[in-house]
Amino acid sequence: AQSVTQLDSHVSVSEGTPVLLRCNYSSSYSPSLFWYVQHPNKGLQLLLKYTSAATLVKGINGFEAEFKKSETSFHLTKPSAHMSDAAEYFCVVGTNTGNQFYFGTGTSLTVIP
Amino acid sequence: ETGVTQSPTHLIKTRGQQVTLRCSSQSGHNTVSWYQQALGQGPQFIFQYYREEENGRGNFPPRFSGLQFPNYSSELNVNALELDDSALYLCASSHGTSNPDTQYFGPGTRLTVL
Repeated sequence: AQSVTQLDSHVSVSEGTPVLLRCNYSSSYSPSLFWYVQHPNKGLQLLLKYTSAATLVKGINGFEAEFKKSETSFHLTKPSAHMSDAAEYFCVVGTNTGNQFYFGTGTSLTVIP
Repeated sequence: ETGVTQSPTHLIKTRGQQVTLRCSSQSGHNTVSWYQQALGQGPQFIFQYYREEENGRGNFPPRFSGLQFPNYSSELNVNALELDDSALYLCASSHGTSNPDTQYFGPGTRLTVL
């Protein structure tokens, strides 16, 4: 069985400070992991994905995530938050057959000017 | 290159009715997945179609069914609508299923069941 748990439903940071959005996963085998962002009234956009290559994955807009098998975590980070980063973020785990994807419940990121 | 499009954007139905939602996949993509996103929740995987065949299914009842056409566009059909079916329905296309792939999402169809 596969699932993800996003540990924070809401995160608030000041503009220019680091962002940390936490995700733990559960998987019976080596997972594929993704982070997506959803801005209000816009479609889901892929930020980054891990598919068993480098454990530190760099994505778009300065985001990156580190796959830690020992901790079953895939936390999303960004060194300096920008106002445009305010959105809903979803951690996703995929099956190794590529035919099912499981989303977390989402983390709402607020950036305070 | 055109992105994923969905129609209609909004839809209102009454309980017990049937609904069909449509999705045009991104050019060159042969795989379409459908998701249900209830208000304040993450998307829930309904099913995936690859080359016109159902290729995977989430925990949804049989009244949720789909089709994929030779041009890889897709339909989601929901019979006997229930109030809890009110949600944003998302379609995502990708190329290939040998490994979890990058999915491109459409803007969604907002279904309201009264």
